[in-house]
Amino acid sequence: EDKVVQSPLSLVVHEGDTVTLNCSYEVTNFRSLLWYKQEKKAPTFLFMLTSSGIEKKSGRLSSILDKKELFSILNITATQTGDSAVYLCAVVDPYTGTASKLTFGTGTRLQVTL
Amino acid sequence: KAGVTQTPRYLIKTRGQQVTLSCSPISGHRSVSWYQQTPGQGLQFLFEYFSETQRNKGNFPGRFSGRQFSNSRSEMNVSTLELGDSALYLCASSWNRENTEAFFGQGTRLTVV
Repeated sequence: EDKVVQSPLSLVVHEGDTVTLNCSYEVTNFRSLLWYKQEKKAPTFLFMLTSSGIEKKSGRLSSILDKKELFSILNITATQTGDSAVYLCAVVDPYTGTASKLTFGTGTRLQVTL
Repeated sequence: KAGVTQTPRYLIKTRGQQVTLSCSPISGHRSVSWYQQTPGQGLQFLFEYFSETQRNKGNFPGRFSGRQFSNSRSEMNVSTLELGDSALYLCASSWNRENTEAFFGQGTRLTVV
């Protein structure tokens, strides 16, 4: 059974800090990994990573995947209170490679304080 | 472009009752997936429908069922509700292609009393 583990479970930082969120996975046939941000209800898509070592970047957020060591990290620099959310990591269906079936980690709850 | 729409947003039901939740996917998406989110278990996959057929199923009891219509709209049904069924139920739609993400609705918050 596919398994995704995120750490830490929760994190409190001050505005302006840099944070690193971790996601490790064990899957039968890895295809791709996705990061989502969940503020209230609907998770919103951040990044999809399919190849090892390639960094995806969007503003202050970036993510990298290590297929050899089976983990991904999500970095947020110069954090703002609007970054407070639960960050979810998921792997796609190993058979179809599509996002029709996602296996999620339990998430990291990030709180950014003033 | 309209997003994924779930109705209702909130529901309160009594143990033993049944409930039906609805999900309208993004136009053109034929894959609709359902997830249960609870504080203890996180987001867990319930099932996925594609072209009116259940293609994948998670580890949930038979009380949880679903269907998909020809316009790709999907419903999920939970019968004989238990207190433990209280959760946020999220629906997601996606293209049936690799390297594309899933888009989530706002969810239905179900409370069983």
